[in-house]
Amino acid sequence: KAGVTQTPRYLIKTRGQQVTLSCSPISGHRSVSWYQQTPGQGLQFLFEYFSETQRNKGNFPGRFSGRQFSNSRSEMNVSTLELGDSALYLCASSSGLNPRDTQYFGPGTRLTVL
Amino acid sequence: AQRVTQPEKLLSVFKGAPVELKCNYSYSGSPELFWYVQYSRQRLQLLLRHISRESIKGFTADLNKGETSFHLKKPFAQEEDSAMYYCALIGASNTGKLIFGQGTTLQVKP
Repeated sequence: KAGVTQTPRYLIKTRGQQVTLSCSPISGHRSVSWYQQTPGQGLQFLFEYFSETQRNKGNFPGRFSGRQFSNSRSEMNVSTLELGDSALYLCASSSGLNPRDTQYFGPGTRLTVL
Repeated sequence: AQRVTQPEKLLSVFKGAPVELKCNYSYSGSPELFWYVQYSRQRLQLLLRHISRESIKGFTADLNKGETSFHLKKPFAQEEDSAMYYCALIGASNTGKLIFGQGTTLQVKP
């Protein structure tokens, strides 16, 4: 099976702009989780989607949002970008049938905010 | 509060030496514990999870509920084990939410 894919791999934006990141899960997986990875805060959970519904949400401001499509592909959007949003954004997929399913990670999207 | 602590940022050992990467957790309930590994320029990948009780690449980890620990061990380190290791937990009610430790860089010297 093909692994989790994320596009684009690199992005450079300026403060105030918005950005959309995309994640395609492993075929047959219905859950997609998003994480932010920074040197200071490490890996932090953003949100999780299952069957087009947000099932869980981390402690991030409302500028961070996401959605999931009927084919399980997911997008996350960050509006009004701040310098502190510079990070590696990872998505992970799992079957979603068991909350504790193993999550399989994509390569990440490196976002730089200038 | 749910938390995972990896006390060592860097662990440096010689090839053939035993390795123990420490992980302690705080969770009121029965979490599922994982070890993920990230080799240079590769994506984060699952190494093992406590419920499977497997030994992967010679690594094992035992869940000690009394000490709330899930240390990763290998009796003889290899140079190819050099990587970043993350301990993580997921709770019963927190679907899809992995809580990660800060990670430990393992450096195996020849």
